[in-house]
Amino acid sequence: NAGVTQTPKFQVLKTGQSMTLQCAQDMNHNSMYWYRQDPGMGLRLIYYSASEGTTDKGEVPNGYNVSRLNKREFSLRLESAAPSQTSVYFCASRGAGGGGKPQHFGDGTRLSIL
Amino acid sequence: AQRVTQPEKLLSVFKGAPVELKCNYSYSGSPELFWYVQYSRQRLQLLLRHISRESIKGFTADLNKGETSFHLKKPFAQEEDSAMYYCALSSGSSNTGKLIFGQGTTLQVKP
Repeated sequence: NAGVTQTPKFQVLKTGQSMTLQCAQDMNHNSMYWYRQDPGMGLRLIYYSASEGTTDKGEVPNGYNVSRLNKREFSLRLESAAPSQTSVYFCASRGAGGGGKPQHFGDGTRLSIL
Repeated sequence: AQRVTQPEKLLSVFKGAPVELKCNYSYSGSPELFWYVQYSRQRLQLLLRHISRESIKGFTADLNKGETSFHLKKPFAQEEDSAMYYCALSSGSSNTGKLIFGQGTTLQVKP
């Protein structure tokens, strides 16, 4: 099993360009998440999808949109990239239920906006 | 408000020394707490969760509800423990599984 797969791994954009980050999981997980990781700020939740067909805002949703295409795939779109969106983006997934179920993370996408 | 605080940005110890990475949380309900580790330029990996009360790679963490802490400890640090460590909290009563992360602590184990 590949787990959580993110593409691309690296990308450089110019201010104002648009881009979609792709994420897919093969663990039949219900929930999927997008985080951004910035130095000194830990990981912050951008959007999440608790189950197929639903999406909700996280802590820092401005400037982003998401699509839960099916149970496997959850994409993150930057409509008009800004330098403040330079970051490392992580996708994660989690199985159903409570009981301390952990999230499983992808390798990340390193995005630079010039 | 739910919050996770890791007060140390960097913790530097010598090989063989004890390690304690601090984590304090703010949450009014029944939290689920996790420690994740990120080795250089790799994905985050689950290290520990409080519900399991397990020891992984020699690390342990005990949930102290009175002090609202979940500190990560290891009696003898190894060089391969050098990494970024994140403490994270999830609402035990929610089925969304959302995590709130601390700012992270870089552990540097010197030879």
